[in-house]
Amino acid sequence: AAGVIQSPRHLIKEKRETATLKCYPIPRHDTVYWYQQGPGQDPQFLISFYEKMQSDKGSIPDRFSAQQFSDYHSELNMSSLELGDSALYFCASSLELSYNEQFFGPGTRLTVL
Amino acid sequence: AQSVSQHNHHVILSEAASLELGCNYSYGGTVNLFWYVQYPGQHLQLLLKYFSGDPLVKGIKGFEAEFIKSKFSFNLRKPSVQWSDTAEYFCAVKVPRKLIFGQGTELSVKP
Repeated sequence: AAGVIQSPRHLIKEKRETATLKCYPIPRHDTVYWYQQGPGQDPQFLISFYEKMQSDKGSIPDRFSAQQFSDYHSELNMSSLELGDSALYFCASSLELSYNEQFFGPGTRLTVL
Repeated sequence: AQSVSQHNHHVILSEAASLELGCNYSYGGTVNLFWYVQYPGQHLQLLLKYFSGDPLVKGIKGFEAEFIKSKFSFNLRKPSVQWSDTAEYFCAVKVPRKLIFGQGTELSVKP
């Protein structure tokens, strides 16, 4: 069965650079979620989209922005990167907003030097 | 406020020992609860989930969890752990439009 695809799997950037992470949900899933997991931390919700519109916002810095496109894939754009942005970024997808299981992608490991 | 609390940060067991990981949640709405496992360097994988019905939920790899509404708990259990169960375990509650995770419990199983 198709799973959530994230690219790239690994990314190394320097401070103050920008990064774009991509997420391709499971086919027919209409909701995408982004989570950030710092070293030794639990995943923290960043932002979610339903039907291409932002549906909820968590602890996402103003330097980050995201969107969901017409094919339901989503991109997380990160600017002015800081050392503290080094983390594993998970994308998850689900069908419909409420009470459905979220399926997680393999994550993008971002290292900021 | 919505939150999930996992009691143990690090658990060390020998193979064949029994496992119970505690999870308590705080959420006033309809509860959907999950346990995820994260093997070293891997992504989150769903172990089991509770949406409604039988409060004793069986998942993959011999894991089970019991939803006790009166205690706001959803503890994870396994009768006999294996070395391959070494991983981090996250409890999560589904609130509208997102998951809230607990802090995670790192399980180390000694061969």
